[in-house]
Amino acid sequence: ETGVTQSPTHLIKTRGQQVTLRCSSQSGHNTVSWYQQALGQGPQFIFQYYREEENGRGNFPPRFSGLQFPNYSSELNVNALELDDSALYLCASSLDSRGRREQFFGPGTRLTVL
Amino acid sequence: GDSVTQMEGPVTLSEEAFLTINCTYTATGYPSLFWYVQYPGEGLQLLLKATKADDKGSNKGFEATYRKETTSFHLEKGSVQVSDSAVYFCALSFQPGGTSYGKLTFGQGTILTVHP
Repeated sequence: ETGVTQSPTHLIKTRGQQVTLRCSSQSGHNTVSWYQQALGQGPQFIFQYYREEENGRGNFPPRFSGLQFPNYSSELNVNALELDDSALYLCASSLDSRGRREQFFGPGTRLTVL
Repeated sequence: GDSVTQMEGPVTLSEEAFLTINCTYTATGYPSLFWYVQYPGEGLQLLLKATKADDKGSNKGFEATYRKETTSFHLEKGSVQVSDSAVYFCALSFQPGGTSYGKLTFGQGTILTVHP
């Protein structure tokens, strides 16, 4: 069984640019959550997608948006990048959107904004 | 809002030493509590969990007990190994039926380094 994968591994962008990060969920998992982990901090919840619809959102501005596809893979898009967006972005997949099943995390994408 | 506070790190121990990493939480209601571990270059892995007061989660020699009266979930291990070196995160999430849709709220993490 393939685990959660994310691409790219590392990314460098400049302020004002746009970025798309990708996540392939574990087989059969219909729920994907995205987290932002700033250096030296714990992950912070960005949003969750369940069956292709946003199912909850944390305290992040609208320039953070996402998609989930019919195969349950997901994208995180960030527009108008700011220096503070530099972080490790983690996605996690689960069989359940209500927290009754374990969330499995990918290795993350390290985004650097210059 | 809900929050998790972990002890200040980093923690440096010698092999076979006793480990405690403190974790306290603030939440409206009765969350489930978790410890996750992050090894270098890897994603977060669930280490253990407890879903109600007085539950003890355990895995790989690590233990933590859900203490509602002190709103705590301290991580302990009797004898650490070099391979336990990692970053440890305490987290909470709400029970099914709540409105938190499985969102995890994490502490800031504690770096553990174990020397031979």
